[in-house]
Amino acid sequence: AQSVTQLGSHVSVSEGALVLLRCNYSSSVPPYLFWYVQYPNQGLQLLLKYTTGATLVKGINGFEAEFKKSETSFHLTKPSAHMSDAAEYFCAVSEEGNNRLAFGKGNQVVVIP
Amino acid sequence: DTAVSQTPKYLVTQMGNDKSIKCEQNLGHDTMYWYKQDSKKFLKIMFSYNNKELIINETVPNRFSPKSPDKAHLNLHINSLELGDSAVYFCASSHESGSPLHFGNGTRLTVT
Repeated sequence: AQSVTQLGSHVSVSEGALVLLRCNYSSSVPPYLFWYVQYPNQGLQLLLKYTTGATLVKGINGFEAEFKKSETSFHLTKPSAHMSDAAEYFCAVSEEGNNRLAFGKGNQVVVIP
Repeated sequence: DTAVSQTPKYLVTQMGNDKSIKCEQNLGHDTMYWYKQDSKKFLKIMFSYNNKELIINETVPNRFSPKSPDKAHLNLHINSLELGDSAVYFCASSHESGSPLHFGNGTRLTVT
């Protein structure tokens, strides 16, 4: 079964600094990969996704992620953190023909002024 | 227009009670889900329905019973509530395999 590893539950970043959230996946077939963001007391919102094609994927709010098959990774980055980026971020993986979406444990991002 | 809506938003109840959470989506999606988010924010799938047919049924106590009257609705009924059932329950929907899930805003269940 597919699975996702996100290390470091809490990530602190200074305003204006690079945001880097790491995600490694395990999948027996080519994966579909997603990053979601959850603001307090809200549901999850899709940031970006990779299914096929270009391995560098751009999403909303200035985020992007790169699929690296050799490293089984899908790390999320944003060049310059903004206070509004403070939230919980989840990496998730599914497989073609499989509706089961497996989530990582999430990263709580704190932005320091 | 809310794409995936769940009611109620908050649910506080005592142990042993039976409660239901309702979910509706207006996106025309074929597949709907229930996820449970625990106090550490970990999300775990509970059930999935495709066109009213149960396709995913994780290891969940049989006190939890999903019901899908049509493909736009997926309700969750919980019998004999226990303290450990306290969590946030999210409904979601998707169009097809590999497409993103659209989530509701969650129902925070507190069992006292």
